[in-house]
Amino acid sequence: KNEVEQSPQNLTAQEGEFITINCSYSVGISALHWLQQHPGGGIVSLFMLSSGKKKHGRLIATINIQEKHSSLHITASHPRDSAVYICAILTSGTYKYIFGTGTRLKVLA
Amino acid sequence: DTGVSQNPRHKITKRGQNVTFRCDPISEHNRLYWYRQTLGQGPEFLTYFQNEAQLEKSRLLSDRFSAERPKGSFSTLEIQRTEQGDSAMYLCASSLEQFHEQYFGPGTRLTVT
Repeated sequence: KNEVEQSPQNLTAQEGEFITINCSYSVGISALHWLQQHPGGGIVSLFMLSSGKKKHGRLIATINIQEKHSSLHITASHPRDSAVYICAILTSGTYKYIFGTGTRLKVLA
Repeated sequence: DTGVSQNPRHKITKRGQNVTFRCDPISEHNRLYWYRQTLGQGPEFLTYFQNEAQLEKSRLLSDRFSAERPKGSFSTLEIQRTEQGDSAMYLCASSLEQFHEQYFGPGTRLTVT
């Protein structure tokens, strides 16, 4: 069993829909990082959080440390949001990321 | 551009050949990480450096793989006697020691034919 599980693995949405991507992990962490990867491979940092909630534009990330769960929400989704969204945890006591397998999002116009 | 850079972006090689990739981190970052990502999977940790010291290597890093960061700035990852299973995206990231957020380069996509 992977230490980081994401759901769903694939998601297709219509433009304007509210999207939620979930990440669950099974080990202690010092932080959790949401990343976006476009075709071609480049990885862009979205949020790094260790508690509570962060918002940037149409993106919102929340984390519940007790439940070992984080969610990434996209409001008013747009085709340019189509990408793979990856959850990565920074495990307690190390500086090494463990990654989820990613959620492939496709937003249709 | 002051982000993490990687060269080359794409490499096609024949099985058995040696390849070397380069990563230039953000200039003030002490830590540098190498990851490998195969199709449909998340990245997997390979190794990391604090300055010029290689502090950890994954079991994924077989004897054919070697990484260096000779002056604590750029790093190279060499794969000797490449195999088709080495085909993947090789990602580099860097971070400040006291801040954990890692910044990723664009990756080097290796195809072994």
